[in-house]
Amino acid sequence: AQTVTQSQPEMSVQEAETVTLSCTYDTSESDYYLFWYKQPPSRQMILVIRQEAYKQQNATENRFSVNFQKAAKSFSLKISDSQLGDAAMYFCAYRSAPLSNFGNEKLTFGTGTRLTIIP
Amino acid sequence: NAGVTQTPKFQVLKTGQSMTLQCAQDMNHNSMYWYRQDPGMGLRLIYYSASEGTTDKGEVPNGYNVSRLNKREFSLRLESAAPSQTSVYFCASSLAETRIYEQYFGPGTRLTVT
Repeated sequence: AQTVTQSQPEMSVQEAETVTLSCTYDTSESDYYLFWYKQPPSRQMILVIRQEAYKQQNATENRFSVNFQKAAKSFSLKISDSQLGDAAMYFCAYRSAPLSNFGNEKLTFGTGTRLTIIP
Repeated sequence: NAGVTQTPKFQVLKTGQSMTLQCAQDMNHNSMYWYRQDPGMGLRLIYYSASEGTTDKGEVPNGYNVSRLNKREFSLRLESAAPSQTSVYFCASSLAETRIYEQYFGPGTRLTVT
């Protein structure tokens, strides 16, 4: 079974600075997907960014980017120019790539990192 | 287009009571999921449904039952609630017809069992 580990329960960053959230995972699969979800105080789970394991290029979405190290099984999230609205719980998640029988694509989540933005 | 909706948003039950959490999506998604979120444990999968008429157990199915009523709706039932089921419950859905897709989550239901 796959496991996802987020070793930083809490992080804080000054507004406008850059912060990196860590995530490691354990799998024997070669094809999979990784995600970062944001959960603000409203509880809504919002997809921030995703990475396909077969792609070597790191994914980016505006101020959010990842450092995907497949051999090290590491998937960190970098937030640049941090804003007050970035304050939230951030969850790293893993999903196997379906070979067939679409619909069994379950997400395995880490325990989350609470990010605080200091004005 | 409301996405994924869940009812109720909050619920308090006494031990032994039963209730059903409702979930509906209007995105024509095939797959639907129920997760629970507990402090310090992230989200854990309870049950999922790959398509209408099929359901499968996830990581923590004990004490729960599900029904995929139709393509839109996926309900979660607690037959005899226990304090260990105090949690926040999330429903999610996804379009499982391509390799690349995401799960869309509902707003969650906070359940307290006393």
